[in-house]
Amino acid sequence: SQQGEEDPQALSIQEGENATMNCSYKTSINNLQWYRQNSGRGLVHLILIRSNEREKHSGRLRVTLDTSKKSSSLLITASRAADTASYFCATFYNNQGGKLIFGQGTELSVKP
Amino acid sequence: DAGVIQSPRHEVTEMGQEVTLRCKPISGHNSLFWYRQTMMRGLELLIYFNNNVPIDDSGMPEDRFSAKMPNASFSTLKIQPSEPRDSAVYFCASSLDRVGDGYTFGSGTRLTVV
Repeated sequence: SQQGEEDPQALSIQEGENATMNCSYKTSINNLQWYRQNSGRGLVHLILIRSNEREKHSGRLRVTLDTSKKSSSLLITASRAADTASYFCATFYNNQGGKLIFGQGTELSVKP
Repeated sequence: DAGVIQSPRHEVTEMGQEVTLRCKPISGHNSLFWYRQTMMRGLELLIYFNNNVPIDDSGMPEDRFSAKMPNASFSTLKIQPSEPRDSAVYFCASSLDRVGDGYTFGSGTRLTVV
């Protein structure tokens, strides 16, 4: 069953703008990860944030985690047309034997 | 490193036929996962292995699905008999361990059952 719910389902912005995607989940987690999927391709791991971390950066990506609200956000700054893809959050539960469960994803379109 | 290698990339088969999907994980990774992606259900975890041993197959939809990992460098997902509702993209992923570090995904196998 799906764990994460992502918001919005689709996002369309202009090149240079920032893109923010949100993810909510239901139960305690060990970590939360974000992946990107280009059309017709596999998923690519972007960034991982552990349950004891609140914010993490990687290049133009910024991820926040609020375990009290069971939510995370992914911010892509100064977006480029090449950022056009689907973005998925995935939550990891070690107490269930180590499962990574994906949300439904946000489809991001960056217009040049 | 060639990454996670899946074959075939595309498979079209008739209902009732047996389908075998193959996966070669990254060398040194000891966890392997099979996911299925559809528009309706998104990404579903079917089964995963740790050190070649199946750990959790609760996501396998029914007895028509089976998965094996005979050694650290090869896994198969078999559907017998196949049905049109099995049409989906099947992904294999591997990771160094199962404590939740990032997974490396293959390019997937797009299965169409007619």
